[in-house]
Amino acid sequence: DAKTTQPPSMDCAEGRAANLPCNHSTISGNEYVYWYRQIHSQGPQYIIHGLKNNETNEMASLIITEDRKSSTLILPHATLRDTAVYYCIVRSPYNQGGKLIFGQGTELSVKP
Amino acid sequence: DTAVSQTPKYLVTQMGNDKSIKCEQNLGHDTMYWYKQDSKKFLKIMFSYNNKELIINETVPNRFSPKSPDKAHLNLHINSLELGDSAVYFCASSQRTSGRAGGELFFGEGSRLTVL
Repeated sequence: DAKTTQPPSMDCAEGRAANLPCNHSTISGNEYVYWYRQIHSQGPQYIIHGLKNNETNEMASLIITEDRKSSTLILPHATLRDTAVYYCIVRSPYNQGGKLIFGQGTELSVKP
Repeated sequence: DTAVSQTPKYLVTQMGNDKSIKCEQNLGHDTMYWYKQDSKKFLKIMFSYNNKELIINETVPNRFSPKSPDKAHLNLHINSLELGDSAVYFCASSQRTSGRAGGELFFGEGSRLTVL
């Protein structure tokens, strides 16, 4: 069962930052927060992951609260091609299974 | 070059038939997966193989049988197809020891199975 809660849908204006929240209040100390997205009819695509510290890569930034019970994925300048379903996932280390269990995700619509 | 490729991309068949979906990855990864995405868009893990050894076997009917002839291939064979098997099946691969987190999964484009 998914251990995360996300809003079912969000809108964002093109060129603005998209901030996607995720609650994971039951996360364990050794579990990671992963974000994937699925653009219509395509396979899911990895975005970013983190454990405790905030992370940034060429696609997005991940902000994890100090108590690790929630996180926010930030797409700094959303484009129309960022329209997709975004999944926040809590994942155990690989030596404890490491399964990616997807929840319902947030359907992000980027509008002109 | 496609990193994770699945064939066929579309498959339409009758109830009761047996069918296979093939998956190949050229990323040199040691772990491969099958996920099922149903009409409600839920993505559920079915199986995972690490170095040809089954490591994840979720509650899946035994009509579904994965086979991994080598690290680069993971095929899914389905016997006696039922209407409820209609879904998009995604193959994925990862390098399990790529960091403690286990390495990100790279997904294929999916195989849409329709059972009539």
